[in-house]
Amino acid sequence: QVQLQESGPGLVKPSQSLSLTCTVSGVSISSGAYYWSWVRQHPGKGLEWIGYIYYSESTYFNPSLKSRATMSIDTSKNQFSLKLNSVTVADTAVYYCARVDWGNYGPLDYWGQGTLVTVSS
Amino acid sequence: IVLTQSPGTLSLSPGERATLSCRASQSISSTYLAWYQQKPGQAPRLLMYGASTRATGIPDRFSGGGSGTDFTLTISRLEPEDFAVYFCQHYAGSPWTFGLGTKVEIK
Repeated sequence: QVQLQESGPGLVKPSQSLSLTCTVSGVSISSGAYYWSWVRQHPGKGLEWIGYIYYSESTYFNPSLKSRATMSIDTSKNQFSLKLNSVTVADTAVYYCARVDWGNYGPLDYWGQGTLVTVSS
Repeated sequence: IVLTQSPGTLSLSPGERATLSCRASQSISSTYLAWYQQKPGQAPRLLMYGASTRATGIPDRFSGGGSGTDFTLTISRLEPEDFAVYFCQHYAGSPWTFGLGTKVEIK
């Protein structure tokens, strides 16, 4: 079955970069039917969409991140990644990767379990 | 698009009917409206997409509807596993947005 798993450092210092990887199993990341997305959730708060990437490496981001975010995709490893530059304490959150079901216009139908990233010196 | 969910908390007993509201700040296509369920310590789970289509494996006690600016998620008879937080999401335009959630708690 489809599974997504986030990995990366749980602690990042302010002004540094946050890098996370999502490993996908059960479906090829090169499948044209899906995009691949990142969503974050600040502690005790709601959900914030970060952006998505297609296997062709086209990307689309939430403008609120002010160009701090980039995404990449490695089809050979069936992984996609998020990099967020110049982090502050406001970037402390649980980060989820998710599959975008483009065939149904874009709901997030499979999610990883999430990984907590804390920004602190 | 800002999504406003109400109520913030719904206190009900198992077996009761739950009606959750999601109001958009401007008219949106129902094609791009989803509902998710989130339990403590877990990732969100897709319940409904296209406002009224149940995702794979979602029981038929869950139903969704609405159009324009007003959408609802209804749980016809609450089961113990339904007590959770529910989010609506608009997945068109930029940025994609989520409501702040409705917590359905046991009365």
